[in-house]
Amino acid sequence: KNEVEQSPQNLTAQEGEFITINCSYSVGISALHWLQQHPGGGIVSLFMLSSGKKKHGRLIATINIQEKHSSLHITASHPRDSAVYICAVRASNDMRFGAGTRLTVKP
Amino acid sequence: NAGVTQTPKFRILKIGQSMTLQCTQDMNHNYMYWYRQDPGMGLKLIYYSVGAGITDKGEVPNGYNVSRSTTEDFPLRLELAAPSQTSVYFCASSPGGSGYGYTFGSGTRLTVV
Repeated sequence: KNEVEQSPQNLTAQEGEFITINCSYSVGISALHWLQQHPGGGIVSLFMLSSGKKKHGRLIATINIQEKHSSLHITASHPRDSAVYICAVRASNDMRFGAGTRLTVKP
Repeated sequence: NAGVTQTPKFRILKIGQSMTLQCTQDMNHNYMYWYRQDPGMGLKLIYYSVGAGITDKGEVPNGYNVSRSTTEDFPLRLELAAPSQTSVYFCASSPGGSGYGYTFGSGTRLTVV
């Protein structure tokens, strides 16, 4: 079993829909990161959080430390949100990565 | 500000050939990392460095070598390429340990045939 599990693996939505991507982890962490990877592109950091909730534009990230669970929400989704979203947890000297959720938003 | 620069972006190698993937950062970050990304899998750590002259193995180091002679550069060397090393490679850097995020390079897509 991977230390970081994401669900769903693939997600297709219509433009305007509310999106939720989930992440569960099994190790002790100091922080959790949400990353975005566009097709053929690099990886960019969206959020780093260790408790509570953070919001940036239409993106919201929450974490529940007791339940070892985090969610990434996208409100009013848009085709340009289509990407792979990766959850990663910071443990000791390294980060452990989920396999990613491939999101496709159709116009 | 260039951030983390990786070269080349694409490369095809024949089995047994060698190559070096270059990684340079201009943010004066102490920590640098090499990851590989295989389809359907999370990024796996190959090697990392916490400062010039210091390197350590990650989860999947076999078949690779690294050096860190300067703060800026962290090249990854493949000595005898094998088909199992076909992957996308990412270099990343961080100012420090826990509490800091990573800055990633744009990746190198390597195919070994």
